[in-house]
Amino acid sequence: AQSVTQLGSHVSVSEGALVLLRCNYSSSVPPYLFWYVQYPNQGLQLLLKYTTGATLVKGINGFEAEFKKSETSFHLTKPSAHMSDAAEYFCAASSGGGSYIPTFGRGTSLIVHP
Amino acid sequence: NAGVTQTPKFRVLKTGQSMTLLCAQDMNHEYMYWYRQDPGMGLRLIHYSVGEGTTAKGEVPDGYNVSRLKKQNFLLGLESAAPSQTSVYFCASSRTGMGSYNEQFFGPGTRLTVL
Repeated sequence: AQSVTQLGSHVSVSEGALVLLRCNYSSSVPPYLFWYVQYPNQGLQLLLKYTTGATLVKGINGFEAEFKKSETSFHLTKPSAHMSDAAEYFCAASSGGGSYIPTFGRGTSLIVHP
Repeated sequence: NAGVTQTPKFRVLKTGQSMTLLCAQDMNHEYMYWYRQDPGMGLRLIHYSVGEGTTAKGEVPDGYNVSRLKKQNFLLGLESAAPSQTSVYFCASSRTGMGSYNEQFFGPGTRLTVL
């Protein structure tokens, strides 16, 4: 069974600092990978996704993620944090070769200090 | 397009009461899902459906039932609510086929409290 691990339930950064949220997956077949963002009291919305092709994926709000097959990772980064980035972030994986039911990580809460 | 909508947004139940949560999507998606979100637990899949008339169990199905009589609607039922079912419930939908990659679209959530 596929699993998704997000390292760190909480990440705290200062405004303007680099944001790095970690995600590792376990799958023998390269999956489709997603990052979702959840703002307070809202549902999840897609931030970016990796399907095939270019391994560096750009998303909304200045976020990007790089698929590294050798490290089974899909870490999310943003060069400069903004107060409005404070939210819960979820990494998810969906296998293209079998079940399409996504597997979610437990989420990482991003805290941005002024 | 409204996307994915959920009814109600908030509900308080007493132990043993029943209720139904309604999810509707207007994107003609084949797949629909029900999740619960609890602090520190992330999203846990309750039930899902891969098409009209079909349902399947997810990770935490006990105490819940679902129905998908129409493609656009997915109902989640609690027959006898328990305090352990206090949670925020999210519905999601996704399309299948080439180019979809199963990206999910989420509703705004239903906050349920069972006393």
